[in-house]
Amino acid sequence: QKEVEQDPGPLSVPEGAIVSLNCTYSNSAFQYFMWYRQYSRKGPELLMYTYSSGNKEDGRFTAQVDKSSKYISLFIRDSQPSDSATYLCAMKSGANSKLTFGKGITLSVRP
Amino acid sequence: DSGVTQTPKHLITATGQRVTLRCSPRSGDLSVYWYQQSLDQGLQFLIQYYNGEERAKGNILERFSAQQFPDLHSELNLSSLELGDSALYFCASSVALGATITGELFFGEGSRLTVL
Repeated sequence: QKEVEQDPGPLSVPEGAIVSLNCTYSNSAFQYFMWYRQYSRKGPELLMYTYSSGNKEDGRFTAQVDKSSKYISLFIRDSQPSDSATYLCAMKSGANSKLTFGKGITLSVRP
Repeated sequence: DSGVTQTPKHLITATGQRVTLRCSPRSGDLSVYWYQQSLDQGLQFLIQYYNGEERAKGNILERFSAQQFPDLHSELNLSSLELGDSALYFCASSVALGATITGELFFGEGSRLTVL
């Protein structure tokens, strides 16, 4: 079993839809949870960061962590064509630990 | 622009050959990480250097090696190339030993390697 599993894609939604992206993990030591966004032909860039369990909101994006279920989610409200990208979840156990990434899911938002 | 520079952007070579990928981290960043990204495996951690010293190893093949130079730039050497080595190779950097407390690594735009 891989340490981090991410829903396979691709995912295509109409503009304005609510998008839910999910990852599960097996390592209970993970405490720091991130979502990276990767546009085509670019490197990943940090989108959201959450420590431990709970929700975090940033504009149209909400990151949710449920440590008891070892499950994290990223919600995108009012999705826009500019949100079309690959989204990768990432997590680590300690402040100086290496990041472990999910495989990523490619999202396409149709105008 | 993340501030991380990778060269070359694209590379096409034949099986059995050797290539070198180069990375210049963000100004002031001491840690350099190398990742391999393929469709079936996703983003796989290869190796990390901090201030010239190897600090962590991931799924790096014995045919691959890396180093970080005194000016902090890094090179990833891939030898005896196989078709399966075709992938995007990313370099990332951070100031500290690990990613920042927020988990932020700064990625370059990658080097796309095609082995024919």
